[in-house]
Amino acid sequence: SQKIEQNSEALNIQEGKTATLTCNYTNYSPAYLQWYRQDPGRGPVFLLLIRENEKEKRKERLKVTFDTTLKQSLFHITASQPADSATYLCALDETGANNLFFGTGTRLTVIP
Amino acid sequence: EAQVTQNPRYLITVTGKKLTVTCSQNMNHEYMSWYRQDPGLGLRQIYYSMNVEVTDKGDVPEGYKVSRKEKRNFPLILESPSPNQTSLYFCASSPRDPANGYTFGSGTRLTVV
Repeated sequence: SQKIEQNSEALNIQEGKTATLTCNYTNYSPAYLQWYRQDPGRGPVFLLLIRENEKEKRKERLKVTFDTTLKQSLFHITASQPADSATYLCALDETGANNLFFGTGTRLTVIP
Repeated sequence: EAQVTQNPRYLITVTGKKLTVTCSQNMNHEYMSWYRQDPGLGLRQIYYSMNVEVTDKGDVPEGYKVSRKEKRNFPLILESPSPNQTSLYFCASSPRDPANGYTFGSGTRLTVV
């Protein structure tokens, strides 16, 4: 069956450190993968997209990698801050038709 | 301001009483979608629409209907709500090019008693 697993339900990290979140998928061949941030009671907010032919993407303190051989994406937040505390979701689209499937998310807490 | 607007934000209803959750976007996006979010299960797609008059089932379409008569609107209809449809619902839209991701609405928290 198809699965998208974010293998840490919760992650605590000290302020200033780099947070690394993992997204693994099974039985998908994604055209691209996206990462979102979700705060409690709010809708997800788009952060980054990485395509199947890209290895790495950066945006300010964020970095995403995509390894189609390992079927894995890593999401890094460098110099983490308490304001980065939220749930982070990965999502992928197989067809390129913009139809997204989401993982269950990792709740990140950055401790001052 | 570019946004996806859902109404209502909160709704408590009784089993079997038909309801509609509205969704409207002002960005001229082709693609719209409905998700429900439940603890431990994440976001699951209910229905999506690639353009006007084009809709298709997602992972969990049972008990729901949608329509896309205009580009900006994508209402979600529950003809006969049941308690297992108690959930947090999100509408989202996107242009054809996914480079900027989906824009999500603020959510509708539905309770069916």
